[in-house]
Amino acid sequence: EPEVTQTPSHQVTQMGQEVILRCVPISNHLYFYWYRQILGQKVEFLVSFYNNEISEKSEIFDDRFSVERPDGSNFTLKIRSTKLEDSAMYFCASEAGVVDEQFFGPGTRLTVL
Amino acid sequence: AQTVTQSQPEMSVQEAETVTLSCTYDTSESNYYLFWYKQPPSRQMILVIRQEAYKQQNATENRFSVNFQKAAKSFSLKISDSQLGDTAMYFCAFMNQPSGGYNKLIFGAGTRLAVHP
Repeated sequence: EPEVTQTPSHQVTQMGQEVILRCVPISNHLYFYWYRQILGQKVEFLVSFYNNEISEKSEIFDDRFSVERPDGSNFTLKIRSTKLEDSAMYFCASEAGVVDEQFFGPGTRLTVL
Repeated sequence: AQTVTQSQPEMSVQEAETVTLSCTYDTSESNYYLFWYKQPPSRQMILVIRQEAYKQQNATENRFSVNFQKAAKSFSLKISDSQLGDTAMYFCAFMNQPSGGYNKLIFGAGTRLAVHP
C-alpha cells in the first residue's frame, strides 16, 4: 500500500541553524501539506502546496520557512534560523484530488536546543 | 475563523464496550467536511471516518460511526466493541469546501482514549 514517508525521524539542531525536513508523498498525489504538532498540543496547519507553488500558509509559516518540490518526488520544508519554539513534530501529508483523504507521513520530531 | 472543540481530554473504556467521543465546531459555511483521525503511540495520523456536511446520513466504517448534528454543529464518534488497538489520541478535524482544489484541515485538541482489558 502506498504511503507517505518522511526523513529523518528525529532531527536535533542548535538554535539559529537551518534544517531541512524531507517528505516523499504518494506518487500520483497532487496536493501537499505540512502540519506541525507541539508536544501535547493540537495539530496545526503550516502550508499547502499545489502545482509547484504555495496555495495557502498560516501565520506560523513566517519568512524563515520555505517549501519546495525539487525533483518531482520529494517535498521539503526548510526552516532557517531555527528557534526554540520550532521544536515540534512536523507532519507531511499528500492528497490525490479535491477533498480526498489526506495521507499523513510518520512525522519528523524536530528538537531545537 | 473556523474552530473545533473537543471537550474531553481523556476517556477510558473497557474492552468490548462502546464509547462516544464528542466534537463541536463553529463555522458560518454550509458546505464543509468533517473527519476523525486516530493517532496511536507511533504518532502517525490515520483517517478513521469522514462526513460530508451535505449528506444527512451519518457515516459508518465498521465499528466506527458518527452522529452528525448539523444544526447543533456537533460531530461525535462512536466506537463499538472497543479493542485494545483502539487506544490512541483521536482528533476531530474540519475542512471548508475547497476553493481551487485544496484545503487545510483544522484540528481539535484531541481526546486521549484508553481501552482497558
